[in-house]
Parts: sequence; C-alpha cells; structure tokens
Amino acid sequence: ETGVTQTPRHLVMGMTNKKSLKCEQHLGHNAMYWYKQSAKKPLELMFVYNFKEQTENNSVPSRFSPECPNSSHLFLHLHTLQPEDSALYLCASSPAGEANEKLFFGSGTQLSVL
Amino acid sequence: SQQGEEDPQALSIQEGENATMNCSYKTSINNLQWYRQNSGRGLVHLILIRSNEREKHSGRLRVTLDTSKKSSSLLITASRAADTASYFCALKTKTSYDKVIFGPGTSLSVIP
Repeated sequence: ETGVTQTPRHLVMGMTNKKSLKCEQHLGHNAMYWYKQSAKKPLELMFVYNFKEQTENNSVPSRFSPECPNSSHLFLHLHTLQPEDSALYLCASSPAGEANEKLFFGSGTQLSVL
Repeated sequence: SQQGEEDPQALSIQEGENATMNCSYKTSINNLQWYRQNSGRGLVHLILIRSNEREKHSGRLRVTLDTSKKSSSLLITASRAADTASYFCALKTKTSYDKVIFGPGTSLSVIP
C-alpha cells in the first residue's frame, strides 16, 4: 500500500463514452502526476500538478482533461477516446519543490477503448 | 531524448544468482532513481542516487552512478523468485523541475 489510491482498477469504454479516472492520496504531498503506460513503450508523462496548478502538459490530446480540485485529489476526464488510448493509466504523487524526488504510485487503471 | 535507456531489455537468471541492469542517459541529471513494477501494477520506488554520489546500497540492492559515462547500474544480489518484475530507471534532469522521466525498463525473470 503506497498511500495512493486509483479507481476504478479496470475500465472498458466505447469511443463515444465519457468517463473519469480518480486518484486520491493522503500522504500530504503537493505534486500529482498522470502517466500513461502502453504495451512495449516507456511510461509517458501526461500531466503534472503542483499545489493544484498544472505545471506540465506533455502535448496530450484534448480528449484527456485533467482536474485537480485540491492537493489530495486528481482526476482524468476522458471523452471520445480512440482504441490506441487503451493503456494502463498511473497516478503518482510526491512532495513538491526541490524535495520533489521519490514518486509514490497508485496501482493504476487499466483502460480498454472499444 | 531525456529518458534513460535500460540494458538488457530482458534478463533471465536462476534463483540465488546476481542480476545486473544498466541505464544509460544523455542529459545532465539531478538524480537517478530505480523503480520496480510487478505485472499490471503500479511502480514502487527502490532507490535514489544523486548526481554527486557514486554508489548506494539498500538491502540486496546496490546502485552505482558514473556521471562521466552517463550511466548507472542496479545490482540485485542473491536473487529470489519474488524479484521477478520489470525494473525502470528514471531521471530527474537539471532542466525538468517537475518531471521524472522513465526509461523502457528491463524485464527480470528469476527462475526458482
């Protein structure tokens, strides 16, 4: 148990659906991340939030929309996804600032887009 | 590319043997980290080595860093079947304040 909880663990959605992934941490961290892990590809950093402010958007398509209402919660809103978006989506958190080093990961949401 | 590259991509050893994985990179780093991932799960942080450090130990893990060669190695001694997982090096570069960039990983299989 890393202290980072992701829900749901598995999600199957059609290309016209709208769904949201949720991430929650109670570690007192102020930085939160979304990573995408596709088969046979390195983890791709998608978004970074520091103190609820988005500090990184790694050229992610607009069909992925992050939301960080507070330092403990992070959402990834999904709409009109493509089959190639099927992947394991991982949330992570860390202390912000120069102490921003070790990442704590959730177990991920395995997403399948049909 | 800012990411590290692990070598080998896959490694299979017998239980009790040592496993060595390497990571090479091209940019200047603040620190280099190693993570482990069991199949389909989240990553777990193993060890962090800063750019001014050359070697660190944690239990059966030994990490070295050679900034002149821009490379690092992770040694797992006396491997166990439970060590079977994917291992990733991750870089915190001098220019990426908020980013931790991961390499493609090494898949380790420890045969009982």
